[in-house]
Amino acid sequence: NAGVTQTPKFQVLKTGQSMTLQCAQDMNHEYMSWYRQDPGMGLRLIHYSVGAGITDQGEVPNGYNVSRSTTEDFPLRLLSAAPSQTSVYFCASSYSRGRAVEQFFGPGTRLTVL
Amino acid sequence: AQSVAQPEDQVNVAEGNPLTVKCTYSVSGNPYLFWYVQYPNRGLQFLLKYITGDNLVKGSYGFEAEFNKSQTSFHLKKPSALVSDSALYFCAGSSGYSSASKIIFGSGTRLSIRP
Repeated sequence: NAGVTQTPKFQVLKTGQSMTLQCAQDMNHEYMSWYRQDPGMGLRLIHYSVGAGITDQGEVPNGYNVSRSTTEDFPLRLLSAAPSQTSVYFCASSYSRGRAVEQFFGPGTRLTVL
Repeated sequence: AQSVAQPEDQVNVAEGNPLTVKCTYSVSGNPYLFWYVQYPNRGLQFLLKYITGDNLVKGSYGFEAEFNKSQTSFHLKKPSALVSDSALYFCAGSSGYSSASKIIFGSGTRLSIRP
């Protein structure tokens, strides 16, 4: 199992550019999430999905779009990048089976917007 | 809205002493609570979780956490700290209704263990 994979590892954008952060998991987990990590603010939930075709907003959704066409993939799109979106982005997948609940994180994408 | 708070930005402890990293939560329904650790330039590693059952939860690397419903707290503890425990610790939680789908994190506590 590769677990949760994210690409790219690093990215530099100019203000106004668009890009998609890729996330994939091979554990057949129903839930997937995107977080951003900023110093002193911990991880903040951007969007999450409870299954293919179903997504919802988290704590800080503005400026980001997501879709979930398959169980495996959950891309995060920045339509018009802003310096405030400079952050480290983590994708996670999780499952819930009775008392068994666990969340797995990808290695992160470090994004800089100039 | 659910939330998780970590009131201390930093905790400093001498090696060999007990450590506590504090966490309080506000979620609807029965809470699912988690602790994660992050080492420099690394992703997050799962330490332990509380779903239901015993209030004292044991996890990886000798850590444990105590769930206190009346105080809405889930403090992380270790009887004897190691220098290698120095890292960034995150508390996280979700409501029983959203279980593993919407997990909210605290702001993190930097734990520093001095030799």
